[in-house]
Amino acid sequence: ETGVTQTPRHLVMGMTNKKSLKCEQHLGHNAMYWYKQSAKKPLELMFVYSLEERVENNSVPSRFSPECPNSSHLFLHLHTLQPEDSALYLCASSQESLAGVGEQYFGPGTRLTVT
Amino acid sequence: QKEVEQNSGPLSVPEGAIASLNCTYSDRGSQSFFWYRQYSGKSPELIMFIYSNGDKEDGRFTAQLNKASQYVSLLIRDSQPSDSATYLCAVRTGGFKTIFGAGTRLFVKA
Repeated sequence: ETGVTQTPRHLVMGMTNKKSLKCEQHLGHNAMYWYKQSAKKPLELMFVYSLEERVENNSVPSRFSPECPNSSHLFLHLHTLQPEDSALYLCASSQESLAGVGEQYFGPGTRLTVT
Repeated sequence: QKEVEQNSGPLSVPEGAIASLNCTYSDRGSQSFFWYRQYSGKSPELIMFIYSNGDKEDGRFTAQLNKASQYVSLLIRDSQPSDSATYLCAVRTGGFKTIFGAGTRLFVKA
């Protein structure tokens, strides 16, 4: 595997279900991100982890719970979601350093539908 | 509210022409600027980044940055139908925060 991978690619869940999205980066990066992309709206930053510590939490509802067990893996745990949470969820990673610009590389995304 | 503004388009250009995509941002402290291409149903793909005033060229793509005017642009020379996509401007404002514009849809007519 190369780059950033995400599973599952598609997910349909009811409002009472609990599911998890998984992201894995094979780039040796030290920061990972979760974004939400809804139709006709800009990407919204949800969470950022740097060296496995959460450094950004963009006022995301508690029904979304991130987990970063190591620098290569990132999870987004979902529970009691609402229909408006249906969107494309994108994972990204970057290499943060004093000399770099921290360009982000995205995974293919998980298309989530909440019924 | 820190913002990144792009014309939603669609911008339509004939094959072989130069496509010019523009972006303005509100935070004067912004440090790095990125252009991503997103095909329908796919995830964003990094085209290039720029952090100094002036032009940066990479193949058919040229990014231009003017920090005084808070303006970033992307020029695509010799546009091809395969360049038809949505182009996202992204601005790193500080810390780990990157703000994305809503994107400009580009259509290259064969």
